[in-house]
Amino acid sequence: AQSVTQLGSHVSVSEGALVLLRCNYSSSVPPYLFWYVQYPNQGLQLLLKYTSAATLVKGINGFEAEFKKSETSFHLTKPSAHMSDAAEYFCAVRINNQGGKLIFGQGTELSVKP
Amino acid sequence: DSGVTQTPKHLITATGQRVTLRCSPRSGDLSVYWYQQSLDQGLQFLIQYYNGEERAKGNILERFSAQQFPDLHSELNLSSLELGDSALYFCASSATPSGDSYNEQFFGPGTRLTVL
Repeated sequence: AQSVTQLGSHVSVSEGALVLLRCNYSSSVPPYLFWYVQYPNQGLQLLLKYTSAATLVKGINGFEAEFKKSETSFHLTKPSAHMSDAAEYFCAVRINNQGGKLIFGQGTELSVKP
Repeated sequence: DSGVTQTPKHLITATGQRVTLRCSPRSGDLSVYWYQQSLDQGLQFLIQYYNGEERAKGNILERFSAQQFPDLHSELNLSSLELGDSALYFCASSATPSGDSYNEQFFGPGTRLTVL
């Protein structure tokens, strides 16, 4: 069965520091991969998506992610954290022969310290 | 603002009751998805509709049902509610029904259901 694992339910960084949120997936067929962000009391907003066009994907708010097939990973990074980045981040996979449903990881809460 | 609207924003009810959650997709989107977010289960896919027809089913309980109407809005009906049904229920919409590269899902703000 396809699944998504996010390492670390909580990550804390200082403002200006590198943000690294880890995501590994398991899939027997090439997946589509997504990162979503959820701010408190809000819905999910798409940060970026991998659809096999390029392995390094740039998203909104300075975030990017790299698809590494050999490692089955799709880690999310941002060079310099901002206070406004504090939120919960979800990695998700969609299998391209199973309709449109998304399978989400458990989420990583990012805290940014001043 | 994603363009997906959900009502009500909050719902408090008692065990055994029945509630209806409503979702209006983005203009032009034909596909609607329902997800449940709870502390113990995380974000889980419930069901998908495309242009009025059920397209895919996930971990949706038999006490739950959904439909998509001709005007493309969707309703999720939850009956015989239990304490464990307390969760945030999200609706998402997309233009296409399937897992192609153009299928980007836009999420609504959610309905928070509390069962007492």
